[in-house]
Amino acid sequence: KNEVEQSPQNLTAQEGEFITINCSYSVGISALHWLQQHPGGGIVSLFMLSSGKKKHGRLIATINIQEKHSSLHITASHPRDSAVYICAANTGNQFYFGTGTSLTVIP
Amino acid sequence: GAVVSQHPSRVICKSGTSVKIECRSLDFQATTMFWYRQFPKKSLMLMATSNEGSKATYEQGVEKDKFLINHASLTLSTLTVTSAHPEDSSFYICSARDKTTSLMRAFGSGTRLTVV
Repeated sequence: KNEVEQSPQNLTAQEGEFITINCSYSVGISALHWLQQHPGGGIVSLFMLSSGKKKHGRLIATINIQEKHSSLHITASHPRDSAVYICAANTGNQFYFGTGTSLTVIP
Repeated sequence: GAVVSQHPSRVICKSGTSVKIECRSLDFQATTMFWYRQFPKKSLMLMATSNEGSKATYEQGVEKDKFLINHASLTLSTLTVTSAHPEDSSFYICSARDKTTSLMRAFGSGTRLTVV
């Protein structure tokens, strides 16, 4: 069993839709990271969370420490949001990566 | 925000040659550099961890003589793929841990290596 599980694996949405990507983890964490990987491969760090909720533009990340669950929401999705979104559990010593959610937003 | 510059972004080399990949932290000091390999549609796989001025620690199954890592300064780490073979073709990406905020990680843009 993977330490980090993401769902869904693939997601197609119409432009403007509200999107949710879920992440569950089984390890004790110091922080939970949400990353974005574009088709070219480069990875951008979107959020680092240890509790509660963070918002940056149209992106919102939440975490429930007790339930070991985090969600990434995208409001008013746009084709440029198309990418792979990766959840990563940071134990302080190690990173455990989810396998990613491939998001395609159709105009 | 913290930026890690990785280059080259793409490289094609012949079998038997060596390729060096560089990662530089541009606006912070990277105490630790992590090197990952990513296979198509797979998660990042940790290859090795290097601390500035120390020998790298390699994950099980990663050949240290094949994947040479140097972390000579707080802003530069290099991965050299020696005597490259076609099976070394992959996407390699580095990630730096900030000296001041140990939880923060910045990622390089990755290097697509093709060995022909």
